[in-house]
Amino acid sequence: DTGVSQDPRHKITKRGQNVTFRCDPISEHNRLYWYRQTLGQGPEFLTYFQNEAQLEKSRLLSDRFSAERPKGSFSTLEIQRTEQGDSAMYLCASSFKQVNYGYTFGSGTRLTVV
Amino acid sequence: KQEVTQIPAALSVPEGENLVLNCSFTDSAIYNLQWFRQDPGKGLTSLLLIQSSQREQTSGRLNASLDKSSGRSTLYIAASQPGDSATYLCAVINYGQNFVFGPGTRLSVLP
Repeated sequence: DTGVSQDPRHKITKRGQNVTFRCDPISEHNRLYWYRQTLGQGPEFLTYFQNEAQLEKSRLLSDRFSAERPKGSFSTLEIQRTEQGDSAMYLCASSFKQVNYGYTFGSGTRLTVV
Repeated sequence: KQEVTQIPAALSVPEGENLVLNCSFTDSAIYNLQWFRQDPGKGLTSLLLIQSSQREQTSGRLNASLDKSSGRSTLYIAASQPGDSATYLCAVINYGQNFVFGPGTRLSVLP
């Protein structure tokens, strides 16, 4: 297990299309997080899972966004009817339940909506 | 609501200089603080994690300190190298919440 993997690395889509990103966390980690980062800003929290349960969602996560972690392993983040404002880097991180061990981040998926 | 700021926003130094990056947070009831490095267009690489009971952590040329009572952390980089050029992000986590990130300090080390 070499870390947190995200796929794809880059995605260009037309406005109005749906996109789905995947995150594979470190296998021993039971928490999985999604963050969004726009240019020149720090990452902003979107949502997190503990095992398969989605425990918290940010107000940033509009109705067009949905995240799943069906078997408590990998997670998907879907954006429906994409808008140009959705263009950002989407980062996934994982951690143990005891967050004093910190987070491990993936390389991110860069979304460009044209 | 926790807010994190970082000063300076950008920094350019000649190779070999020692430098300090600053992070401030408004709610001192943090669980831990983590410094990350981010190269352009890439994800985040963890540099140092300081738990709330600790005052500092060291890794190679990096030293991070934490003063919870004043809501401050510093990242000290000794003998900077061009390969240190990146954006450095500070993040704090409060009990029962998730990481809140600062906007980052963009560092350029000139050869």
